[in-house]
Amino acid sequence: QKEVEQDPGPLSVPEGAIVSLNCTYSNSAFQYFMWYRQYSRKGPELLMYTYSSGNKEDGRFTAQVDKSSKYISLFIRDSQPSDSATYLCAMSADKIIFGKGTRLHILP
Amino acid sequence: DGGITQSPKYLFRKEGQNVTLSCEQNLNHDAMYWYRQDPGQGLRLIYYSQIVNDFQKGDIAEGYSVSREKKESFPLTVTSAQKNPTAFYLCASSRTGTGAGKNYGYTFGSGTRLTVV
Repeated sequence: QKEVEQDPGPLSVPEGAIVSLNCTYSNSAFQYFMWYRQYSRKGPELLMYTYSSGNKEDGRFTAQVDKSSKYISLFIRDSQPSDSATYLCAMSADKIIFGKGTRLHILP
Repeated sequence: DGGITQSPKYLFRKEGQNVTLSCEQNLNHDAMYWYRQDPGQGLRLIYYSQIVNDFQKGDIAEGYSVSREKKESFPLTVTSAQKNPTAFYLCASSRTGTGAGKNYGYTFGSGTRLTVV
């Protein structure tokens, strides 16, 4: 079983829809959970950072961590074409492990 | 503004050549990292350094070398021993934490796309 599993997509949704992106993991030692956004031919940028379980909200973005289920989610409300990118989950205990990324397309 | 600068943006290498990718940061971060990104494979760690004059191999270090002579700089050399070097290379940096498990998010550069010709 891989440490971090993430569906590669692509995921296509119409503009204005709510997007749900998810990752599962196997290492119960993970304490820090992150989401990165990567536009084509660019480096990833840190979008959300969460410690332990719970929710964190920042504008249209909400990150959820359920440590009991080893499952993390990123929700994007009122999705925009500019949200089209690859989203990578990442988590760490002593070092950061990245998911392979989900490609998201927001259709105008 | 603080950030990480990678150069060049595009690099072409002939068979048998060594090439060096530059990575400079002005964030005063102690730790720096090199990743390789291939389609469908995600980010794979090549080398990392948590302090000047010290670095460790990551998961795919064969055919690569690094140096960390200055806090701000972490160049990566792709040697002729790397059989499949065509990829997108990303440099990142982070603060280092104290205490077990403390970690901070990474700041990434814009990447260097290396192609073998």
